[in-house]
Amino acid sequence: EVQLVESGGGLVQPGGSLRLSCAASGFTFSSYEMNWVRQAPGKGLEWVSYISSSGSTIYYADSVKGRFTISRDNAKNSLYLQMNSLRAEDTAVYYCAKMGRDGYHDYWGQGTLVTVSS
Amino acid sequence: EIVMTQSPATLSVSPGERATLSCRASQSVSSNLAWYQQKPGQAPRLLIYGASTRATGIPARFSGSGSGTEFTLTISSLQSEDFAVYYCQQYNNWPPTWTFGQGTKVEIK
Repeated sequence: EVQLVESGGGLVQPGGSLRLSCAASGFTFSSYEMNWVRQAPGKGLEWVSYISSSGSTIYYADSVKGRFTISRDNAKNSLYLQMNSLRAEDTAVYYCAKMGRDGYHDYWGQGTLVTVSS
Repeated sequence: EIVMTQSPATLSVSPGERATLSCRASQSVSSNLAWYQQKPGQAPRLLIYGASTRATGIPARFSGSGSGTEFTLTISSLQSEDFAVYYCQQYNNWPPTWTFGQGTKVEIK
């Protein structure tokens, strides 16, 4: 059974940093591309960042470019999102999502809430 | 940037009735379109990918159609567990970005 478990969310002040983790199991993690997707309270879904299976190719949404860094450790079956210079508008539930053969997301974690507030 | 527009924003349907949800892309995404269901407090769940292929374990009452810029998700006979928010998502453009529609809430009439 595929499982994705996010952790690392919490309350942080504007300008602060946070590192999210996503522990994967039930599939060959090193073979699959992964995304981070977020959802602000009461709002829709917004793609945040992509990483290829090897970690060699990375993309970011314009809203987080230069502030967030995605990475993965295939030996530890883990995905990460380092978030710096956090703003109030980054407040959201952050989901890690496994990508299917094409660009859809076939499995999602339960999400971790990040709240940026003073 | 490809913009995805869903309609209606809210759809009121009685159990057992048919629900038809629409999703329009601002430019062609071929058949690179997925549909997700999200219930309150839960993560999204993949329903349809490739515009019309049901994901594993998804009941046959869910069907997707369309290509290019116009897509439809049909729920043939709404069950109580189907009342939720539905999102479409494109995965076509280059450099890759993944854009979602704003969602359609299916509520009990």
